[in-house]
Formats: sequence, structure tokens, C-alpha cells
Amino acid sequence: EDQVTQSPEALRLQEGESSSLNCSYTVSGLRGLFWYRQDPGKGPEFLFTLYSAGEEKEKERLKATLTKKESFLHITAPKPEDSATYLCAVQIYNFNKFYFGSGTKLNVKP
Amino acid sequence: NAGVTQTPKFHILKTGQSMTLQCAQDMNHGYLSWYRQDPGMGLRRIHYSVAAGITDKGEVPDGYNVSRSNTEDFPLRLESAAPSQTSVYFCAQRLEQFFGPGTRLTVL
Repeated sequence: EDQVTQSPEALRLQEGESSSLNCSYTVSGLRGLFWYRQDPGKGPEFLFTLYSAGEEKEKERLKATLTKKESFLHITAPKPEDSATYLCAVQIYNFNKFYFGSGTKLNVKP
Repeated sequence: NAGVTQTPKFHILKTGQSMTLQCAQDMNHGYLSWYRQDPGMGLRRIHYSVAAGITDKGEVPDGYNVSRSNTEDFPLRLESAAPSQTSVYFCAQRLEQFFGPGTRLTVL
């Protein structure tokens, strides 16, 4: 059964304390893995798409990596404005299927 | 995201009433989709469309209908609302790269 699991559910960091969020997946034929940021009361904001194992993408303090079983979102020296819920999603080769994880809620304290 | 607008922002329905959620885009993307977001369950796709006149079911289509008469609009119809349809609904374009601001729907 296709499945996407994010961990941890919640993460509290001090400003400047780097960490990683995990997105593990078991799907039949990965076409792409997506990362989003979602602020309360708003729609998800697209961050990255990764397509193959070994691929990495960066944006400011965020870096996403992909293996055959999981993806990591590394946050380097986070700031309070990085506080949000981070979502990952997978698209599989069957175009009908698009699965989201339940998210990691990140709180960065000054 | 200014590319996707959704109306209304909030709405309360009674069980059995009907309702249409509106989604409109100001770009010419073929792909539009509807999602619902519930606590602890993540986003789940309801229906999607790759072009005007072409729609297909997502992972949780029961109780919802869609139509696509033009490129700009993709309305989601609840014919007979149920409390289980209380949720936040998002419209997305361009293969889930851009999401609208959402509609918070409560069914009593």
C-alpha cells in the first residue's frame, strides 16, 4: 500500500539550532517528491520537487535531499520566521495518485 | 498565491444542503485539482482536471462532483452535505505547485 510518513510530528528548535525533518515513503514507482511550507490559515507554499535518488535542492536555509526510501528537509540556522508546518507529498507514475504526509510542525524560538 | 482564488473563505451549511465551492485561476494552466485537509490526515485529493472538459477522480471523490467548462474555473459541488465533509478545501494548479488560500467549510 502506498504510504507517506513524516517525522517528527512536531519539532521545537532554538534560533540557530540546525535540524532535519524526515519524509519516508513506500510507493510503487516514484515520479516526484514535493516539499511545502504551510502557515496557519493559508494554503501550502511549494518549496521543492525532487525526482531521483541523490538529488539535492537548496533555498535559503533549507536543503532537501532524496534517497530511494526517504527525503530529508535540512534546516540550517533556523530563524523564528521559519516556524510553520512542513509537508511532503509524493506523486507516483500512475497519474491518479498523489499522496501527502500529515506534516511536521516546526516552532523556532528566538 | 494570486494565481488561484477561492470563494467563499468561510461557509456554514446544514446537513443535506448543497453548496458549490469556487476555484478560479488567472493563468492558462490545464491542470487543476481539489483537496481537503483534515487534522492528522494530511491533504487528500478529491478530483482533478487536466483540461477543459476532462475531469477525473482523486483519492476521496465520494460526495463531490466537479465540472470544467473552461480553463479558468473548476467548481466543486456538494449535492447533499454531510458533517463528515467539514474540512478546509484547497484548489491547486500546475501539478500541486500552487495552492489557493482555501475555503473553511462547516457542515452542521
